[in-house]
Amino acid sequence: DTEVTQTPKHLVMGMTNKKSLKCEQHMGHRAMYWYKQKAKKPPELMFVYSYEKLSINESVPSRFSPECPNSSLLNLHLHALQPEDSALYLCASSRTPGGAGRKFFGPGTRLTVL
Amino acid sequence: SQELEQSPQSLIVQEGKNLTINCTSSKTLYGLYWYKQKYGEGLIFLMMLQKGGEEKSHEKITAKLDEKKQQSSLHITASQPSHAGIYLCGADVLQSGGYQKVTFGTGTKLQVIP
Repeated sequence: DTEVTQTPKHLVMGMTNKKSLKCEQHMGHRAMYWYKQKAKKPPELMFVYSYEKLSINESVPSRFSPECPNSSLLNLHLHALQPEDSALYLCASSRTPGGAGRKFFGPGTRLTVL
Repeated sequence: SQELEQSPQSLIVQEGKNLTINCTSSKTLYGLYWYKQKYGEGLIFLMMLQKGGEEKSHEKITAKLDEKKQQSSLHITASQPSHAGIYLCGADVLQSGGYQKVTFGTGTKLQVIP
């Protein structure tokens, strides 16, 4: 199994809603990532988890709250988002923490904030 | 900070034609990746290059990293409609905390006309 799965594929939410994005991999990778991608822009790193612990937070607003319940799962909890947070959210994983090496990307969740 | 410039920004070619996409860095590249992305979807890994002068091929796609490790090219031979998409180069950039972070180029949008 060499894939990263993400659910849901699409999400529409209001600014007062609370929702969560889910990411899963069964490759035994010990690093997992959240990226945000706006239209016609490259992905931007948000968070990195190494061995289930948050190791990097790229100054992301607190309305985004990541969680890594175990080595296979990564969640991104969303609360009080703004319309400008609408984007494609990509999850990725890699074999070893430290950041270098091939990243396996999921298909993304297309988020629209109304 | 290290920036990656990709050229061209967009490319329209006739099916069967060859094409080249370039990725240039102002600094030495340690770990250069090529990904392909369909609109609104995840990133598909194509190739990773690490050594100066390295060249890798997969099916009709060849990627090279120059000897100085500051420029990479992606060449597609006999393009097909299935090659259409956005091509992104990415490079590992060492952060102050000892962590490698992937910086992506701005992308090249490829259209292949049947």
